[in-house]
Amino acid sequence: DTEVTQTPKHLVMGMTNKKSLKCEQHMGHRAMYWYKQKAKKPPELMFVYSYEKLSINESVPSRFSPECPNSSLLNLHLHALQPEDSALYLCASSQEFSVPYGYTFGSGTRLTVV
Amino acid sequence: AQSVTQLDSHVSVSEGTPVLLRCNYSSSYSPSLFWYVQHPNKGLQLLLKYTSAATLVKGINGFEAEFKKSETSFHLTKPSAHMSDAAEYFCVEAGIASKLTFGTGTRLQVTL
Repeated sequence: DTEVTQTPKHLVMGMTNKKSLKCEQHMGHRAMYWYKQKAKKPPELMFVYSYEKLSINESVPSRFSPECPNSSLLNLHLHALQPEDSALYLCASSQEFSVPYGYTFGSGTRLTVV
Repeated sequence: AQSVTQLDSHVSVSEGTPVLLRCNYSSSYSPSLFWYVQHPNKGLQLLLKYTSAATLVKGINGFEAEFKKSETSFHLTKPSAHMSDAAEYFCVEAGIASKLTFGTGTRLQVTL
């Protein structure tokens, strides 16, 4: 299995809703990442987990809450989002946090906040 | 801080003609460089990577890139474009602690 699987593929939520994005990989990778990508822009790093511990939080607002329940799963909990949070949210994984062998990206969740 | 510059925001080629997407990096040390492709509404797919081995790197789908330290460049090429190559391409450098620095992307258009 050489994939990163993200669910759901599309999500529409209101500003008062609570929802979660899910990411799963079975490649034995020990580093997992959340990226946010706005239209026609490169991805921007949000969070890094290494060995299930949060290693980097790029000053992301608290309405985004990451969780890594085990080495294969990464969640992003969403609450009280704003319309400007609408974007493609990408999950990625790599063998190790400090080894730059390249990431494997998921197909993303297209989030629309209304 | 490291930076990655993609010199063209948009490149248009005819099907069957060569593709050249240009990328310059800024690191003074030996970098780890990647090219990713993103088709519309899709995630990013790794095309190829350079990690201090051979300077000419072959990737998937007929793409290759040449690392030139003297020019701080890592340009992506393909001898013959196919319609399915139309996508956004990102040149990326992995820095300290594997943190990725993305270029701003090049949109490749392939016409008949």
